[in-house]
Amino acid sequence: GENVEQHPSTLSVQEGDSAVIKCTYSDSASNYFPWYKQELGKRPQLIIDIRSNVGEKKDQRIAVTLNKTAKHFSLHITETQPEDSAVYFCAATRKNTGNQFYFGTGTSLTVIP
Amino acid sequence: NAGVTQTPKFQVLKTGQSMTLQCAQDMNHNSMYWYRQDPGMGLRLIYYSASEGTTDKGEVPNGYNVSRLNKREFSLRLESAAPSQTSVYFCASIPRLAGVGGANVLTFGAGSRLTVL
Repeated sequence: GENVEQHPSTLSVQEGDSAVIKCTYSDSASNYFPWYKQELGKRPQLIIDIRSNVGEKKDQRIAVTLNKTAKHFSLHITETQPEDSAVYFCAATRKNTGNQFYFGTGTSLTVIP
Repeated sequence: NAGVTQTPKFQVLKTGQSMTLQCAQDMNHNSMYWYRQDPGMGLRLIYYSASEGTTDKGEVPNGYNVSRLNKREFSLRLESAAPSQTSVYFCASIPRLAGVGGANVLTFGAGSRLTVL
């Protein structure tokens, strides 16, 4: 099956700086890559996603890039704010896997005011 | 419209006891999932149901059973709980087959924290 690796496991940045989280995947047939944010004690929620036919997607301060050749995708958060502090998970899936989403192990982001 | 509802939110069991985690969604979603979340290990799929009437094993199915009771409900049963099953359990659902056009957004329930002593 698919193997998704995520780095770093923890990340601390000063407020206003940028944060980058990277994920790699093993299955070249994976075609959908969502990112989830989980605040302490709460459920994961989708923040952005990208499909394999697109190289980059942006939504205000959040962007995701995908390199299919290298099989890696990254989450970029610019102008970080304290409310960005959370655990972020990447995931990968593809058509006809039987609906299995494969998650990375998470990155705990702390934004220091 | 409550989304995905899980019960109970918290449960403490003794080793060997059994229990069922309940999950219901009111979004008319076809596919439902059970994940467990452990520190440093992300979200690992236990079982899933692609559609009403079908269930399949995920990455970590040992020690669990599931029932897709109808389109709305998907329950997870621990027949003989073990300390290794101490975890936070999340139920989730999506509208249709992952990767097949349209929305693939996983909607999660609020989680169930299970402690096995």
